[in-house]
Amino acid sequence: DAGVTQSPTHLIKTRGQQVTLRCSPKSGHDTVSWYQQALGQGPQFIFQYYEEEERQRGNFPDRFSGHQFPNYSSELNVNALLLGDSALYLCASSGTETYEQYFGPGTRLTVT
Amino acid sequence: QKEVEQNSGPLSVPEGAIASLNCTYSDRGSQSFFWYRQYSGKSPELIMFIYSNGDKEDGRFTAQLNKASQYVSLLIRDSQPSDSATYLCAVNPGDSSYKLIFGSGTRLLVRP
Repeated sequence: DAGVTQSPTHLIKTRGQQVTLRCSPKSGHDTVSWYQQALGQGPQFIFQYYEEEERQRGNFPDRFSGHQFPNYSSELNVNALLLGDSALYLCASSGTETYEQYFGPGTRLTVT
Repeated sequence: QKEVEQNSGPLSVPEGAIASLNCTYSDRGSQSFFWYRQYSGKSPELIMFIYSNGDKEDGRFTAQLNKASQYVSLLIRDSQPSDSATYLCAVNPGDSSYKLIFGSGTRLLVRP
């Protein structure tokens, strides 16, 4: 039973560039949430996708956008990268109308 | 601002002891409560969830919820050095919200 997968594992970008991160949910799950985790902090909710729509969004600027595909996989896009965007980006999947969320291994983004 | 508070620690316990991790939350309407374990450099792993007042046991782990006091705890019996990690408390605020709000985590050290 495949768990949540994310790619890439690590990424280094320059300020002002754009980045795309990818996530495939756990088998049987149809909902994908994205979180940003800064060092020493808990994850912060970016947004959640369900049925290919953004269902809920946290307090993140419009530079953060996403997409969900018919196979339930998802992408997180960040435009105009800032140094402060350096963090661990986590994807979590869950089943329909359940609240338990299971995280993937994360993508470590470094902005220089 | 809905908040989840945890003592950052470290909480140091000897091997074989009971480790008690605590979490308070500010939103009285919160419905679902989760404990995640995060090893250094890894992503959070869901270890317990609890929805009703009282205790829920799973192996060496017991989650305790007191909605009147807005307090949730995690007990780890017979602590092992492999339990050394950061434990994150997460809360779903209810009110048709799908996100999880995380505390900053408590670092647990189990001494051999």
